[in-house]
Amino acid sequence: DGGITQSPKYLFRKEGQNVTLSCEQNLNHDAMYWYRQDPGQGLRLIYYSQIVNDFQKGDIAEGYSVSREKKESFPLTVTSAQKNPTAFYLCASSTSGGAPYEQYFGPGTRLTVT
Amino acid sequence: GENVEQHPSTLSVQEGDSAVIKCTYSDSASNYFPWYKQELGKRPQLIIDIRSNVGEKKDQRIAVTLNKTAKHFSLHITETQPEDSAVYFCAATYLGYKLSFGAGTTVTVRA
Repeated sequence: DGGITQSPKYLFRKEGQNVTLSCEQNLNHDAMYWYRQDPGQGLRLIYYSQIVNDFQKGDIAEGYSVSREKKESFPLTVTSAQKNPTAFYLCASSTSGGAPYEQYFGPGTRLTVT
Repeated sequence: GENVEQHPSTLSVQEGDSAVIKCTYSDSASNYFPWYKQELGKRPQLIIDIRSNVGEKKDQRIAVTLNKTAKHFSLHITETQPEDSAVYFCAATYLGYKLSFGAGTTVTVRA
């Protein structure tokens, strides 16, 4: 299971606390993504980055923040402003260019906020 | 933005039978349609994809068809086996970076 890793696998936090989820890839991919998965809703895009030091909001960016200081890393911070943060978070990466490319997913982090 | 609808939400088939999952999309500019399989507790993995310049693609027991006029695409699994039991997601995009996913289909293959 190399290539793209996420840590930790499970994360528990109290309401009102910010939490940062880690995502690292060694596939030399330019593009990286964060998705949120809730039961019965499929995957929804939070943020994506096509290149270092650049990122764009996805469909549900409110209450989340990201950084892309290195090609290999794309950490996601779930802030206290996110109203319903409990979910399964998936990171992905892909090559970039004109044509759409396969996205490779990490193993995910299950976040529980109480 | 793109809106992808997927049906059915659950599908139970007898081992050896075929399974078909259908998706519709809203943006006629979409040109890439991947299918992902997610086993329980694991990451989604690409099983097949199709681009808008192709109407059908096969890979062993899996095939995908695309009807651009009707804006729908389907996944066909033949000779189903127990290891085909999983959640399947369709997706669509025209930008490459913004995949829009369907809600998923839980497939159960009965022995």
